[in-house]
Amino acid sequence: ETGVTQTPRHLVMGMTNKKSLKCEQHLGHNAMYWYKQSAKKPLELMFVYSLEERVENNSVPSRFSPECPNSSHLFLHLHTLQPEDSALYLCASSQDQVRAVNEQFFGPGTRLTVL
Amino acid sequence: DQQVKQNSPSLSVQEGRISILNCDYTNSMFDYFLWYKKYPAEGPTFLISISSIKDKNEDGRFTVFLNKSAKHLSLHIVPSQPGDSAVYFCAASVRSGNTPLVFGKGTRLSVIA
Repeated sequence: ETGVTQTPRHLVMGMTNKKSLKCEQHLGHNAMYWYKQSAKKPLELMFVYSLEERVENNSVPSRFSPECPNSSHLFLHLHTLQPEDSALYLCASSQDQVRAVNEQFFGPGTRLTVL
Repeated sequence: DQQVKQNSPSLSVQEGRISILNCDYTNSMFDYFLWYKKYPAEGPTFLISISSIKDKNEDGRFTVFLNKSAKHLSLHIVPSQPGDSAVYFCAASVRSGNTPLVFGKGTRLSVIA
């Protein structure tokens, strides 16, 4: 595997379910990101991890819980979501956060539908 | 309040002609700008960037122009090819402030053969 991978690619869940999204990067990067892309809205940054420590949390509801066990893996744990949370969730990585603006590499995303 | 605006949700261009995608920003502190391209079922991929110390950056068929006084940048694709059909996102950041990228809503480009 190369680049940034995300699983699952599609997920349908009920509002009472608990599920997790997984992201893995094979680029040796130190920073990882979760973004949310809703229809007709800009990409919204949710979380930033640098060297496995959370450095940014853009006021995301607690029903979204990130986890970064090491610099290659990032999870987004989902619990009691709402239908309006249905969106494309994108993971990205960069060499490090200081140079994050140079280039972020994105995964293909997980299309989440909350019923 | 959106700091990065792409006011055209879609654009159709004939193959071989020029595609011009526009982006406006409101934060005068932004000093680094990027364009990303996204195909369906794939994540965005980096295309080209420009620093605020320049007003033009060219890479093959892609050129980005920056007008700081107007807080406006544009991406030119010449000549346009059917494979360029995708959603293009403009992004901006304050490089020295180590701030995350701020993205626009994207413009869907369709290049018609």
